[in-house]
Amino acid sequence: GAGVSQSPSNKVTEKGKDVELRCDPISGHTALYWYRQSLGQGLEFLIYFQGNSAPDKSGLPSDRFSAERTGGSVSTLTIQRTQQEDSAVYLCASSLRWSPLHFGNGTRLTVT
Amino acid sequence: GIQVEQSPPDLILQEGANSTLRCNFSDSVNNLQWFHQNPWGQLINLFYIPSGTKQNGRLSATTVATERYSLLYISSSQTTDSGVYFCAAGGTSYGKLTFGQGTILTVHP
Repeated sequence: GAGVSQSPSNKVTEKGKDVELRCDPISGHTALYWYRQSLGQGLEFLIYFQGNSAPDKSGLPSDRFSAERTGGSVSTLTIQRTQQEDSAVYLCASSLRWSPLHFGNGTRLTVT
Repeated sequence: GIQVEQSPPDLILQEGANSTLRCNFSDSVNNLQWFHQNPWGQLINLFYIPSGTKQNGRLSATTVATERYSLLYISSSQTTDSGVYFCAAGGTSYGKLTFGQGTILTVHP
């Protein structure tokens, strides 16, 4: 596709359940980022991939959060045992090295 | 890590007015980007500008890396310019980009 694609666009889950969020970056983009944006707030860095490696995962809030990237392309962010404070919009972005970031439309996660 | 501060936090303009948004960062950067988040939540990259000046239509940006700030200029503002403007900075090694808290711009007709 022409842009960064994220799925699902909306996810409602019960507290304690696991969720998987998917990101399809722009073809050929080597860098992939996950950010989180809570209502009315700025963007909180979660993790950065270069290829399939994650040189910086310093923003993952707890060990309930994990992410992987396969084939230098698709990435999945997994949240285990979801909590209400995990409710937010999860944004994925991709880029070439030293180039503009392009964001997807995000996944709005609501934990009830 | 790098700290990014944006000012002003809020800005209200009448259509046709000009404005300047500022981004200060705490350390040397090799990566500096400006984004616009529209009222529907979409984030659009405006500029990749680690140094120097760029212009795109009514928008222009200048980064003075040695003094650790960047400016975004909006001329002849339109209602469609409304939204949140974010600055994001990354250090000398490629990787994490830290976002500022944003400037909320409202343009009235």
